[in-house]
Amino acid sequence: NAGVMQNPRHLVRRRGQEARLRCSPMKGHSHVYWYRQLPEEGLKFMVYLQKENIIDESGMPKERFSAEFPKEGPSILRIQQVVRGDSAAYFCASSPFGTANQPQHFGDGTRLSIL
Amino acid sequence: GIQVEQSPPDLILQEGANSTLRCNFSDSVNNLQWFHQNPWGQLINLFYIPSGTKQNGRLSATTVATERYSLLYISSSQTTDSGVYFCAAPPVSGTYKYIFGTGTRLKVLA
Repeated sequence: NAGVMQNPRHLVRRRGQEARLRCSPMKGHSHVYWYRQLPEEGLKFMVYLQKENIIDESGMPKERFSAEFPKEGPSILRIQQVVRGDSAAYFCASSPFGTANQPQHFGDGTRLSIL
Repeated sequence: GIQVEQSPPDLILQEGANSTLRCNFSDSVNNLQWFHQNPWGQLINLFYIPSGTKQNGRLSATTVATERYSLLYISSSQTTDSGVYFCAAPPVSGTYKYIFGTGTRLKVLA
């Protein structure tokens, strides 16, 4: 399967811990997008990255959240000192180019639960 | 910013029935995708359809970009069609940032 791979599928953390979510884009894709889906809502854009660069993080909360896409390895969405409100499904998407004239391919998501 | 509205919000069908889901967007868009989120939460891409009509088995979609709407048709519905259907589009000014609608929640009864 050459699709977008996210892991883990489910992640449980206690309040105050750190959560790390991983995303490996489709082969040949160098553009990665993270979206968050709160319960009973649609997905909302968080951040757009290319290899080693954050292009747009306008949808990311200003504190506790960070994202990276290193030269080697998957993209990482990191949430520090998690709170109950961080409980959500986090989806990653990828595309070969960073323009709108192409589909974004989505992974199966990571479901984060905060105890 | 762009608004993406979907209707109806909820739909209950008997197996074998047909249905039409609608997606309206308030601004010009570069493309549009339809997704099915199954009961396990997976997001399945159904169509990439910036304009025109496409068909895939029992599903088809039509986007009329000039009138800012898209329709998803489901024919001979099956229980496995249950879930939430989302449309998403990036506004012309926002290129890559997909704006998702609030979804249509479909339940197909056996």
